[in-house]
Amino acid sequence: GAGVSQSPSNKVTEKGKDVELRCDPISGHTALYWYRQRLGQGLEFLIYFQGNSAPDKSGLPSDRFSAERTGESVSTLTIQRTQQEDSAVYLCASSPTTGGRYEQYFGPGTRLTVT
Amino acid sequence: SQELEQSPQSLIVQEGKNLTINCTSSKTLYGLYWYKQKYGEGLIFLMMLQKGGEEKSHEKITAKLDEKKQQSSLHITASQPSHAGIYLCGVSAAYKLSFGAGTTVTVRA
Repeated sequence: GAGVSQSPSNKVTEKGKDVELRCDPISGHTALYWYRQRLGQGLEFLIYFQGNSAPDKSGLPSDRFSAERTGESVSTLTIQRTQQEDSAVYLCASSPTTGGRYEQYFGPGTRLTVT
Repeated sequence: SQELEQSPQSLIVQEGKNLTINCTSSKTLYGLYWYKQKYGEGLIFLMMLQKGGEEKSHEKITAKLDEKKQQSSLHITASQPSHAGIYLCGVSAAYKLSFGAGTTVTVRA
């Protein structure tokens, strides 16, 4: 079946603008994650959705960042008033979380450049 | 927090040769994930090891988990250009994955 997809693949925006990134998880995966990877750095956890439970937003770096997920489907990550330090690859992952399986399957990422 | 150290940081191998990457944890390993990252392709899940002594293979890639040493190794046999990329080991604390810094593998023809 199809893997995790993300759109857009690349986004260039001006400082101060809002951006919206989209993630389509693997069908049937109950968990969805957003990560950020800055150039030359490791993955930074942003937010986690599990079914209808309250999301874990502990990784969001500021209140300019927010994310939504409708049921167990699409998720959007919104960054308001973008800053240059927001430039990074934003990765989405989904996981079955059934039968004790937690391996995460990643999308190709959205490369965000804030000029 | 649990820290993962990968070695080597990078390596260059001649096509057809074998290579090994190590991942050492600062704490007891209860499970470990191996991923591969290629530019523009995100992270590709390779395998998950859950038990001490466990060994898994996928195509020409074999990974082992040594709980006592708090270490895992990833071995690639007869490397091919398709094996080039960044290999990351990761651990899960509940649902959050944290990764080592990665090992960059270059395969030369």
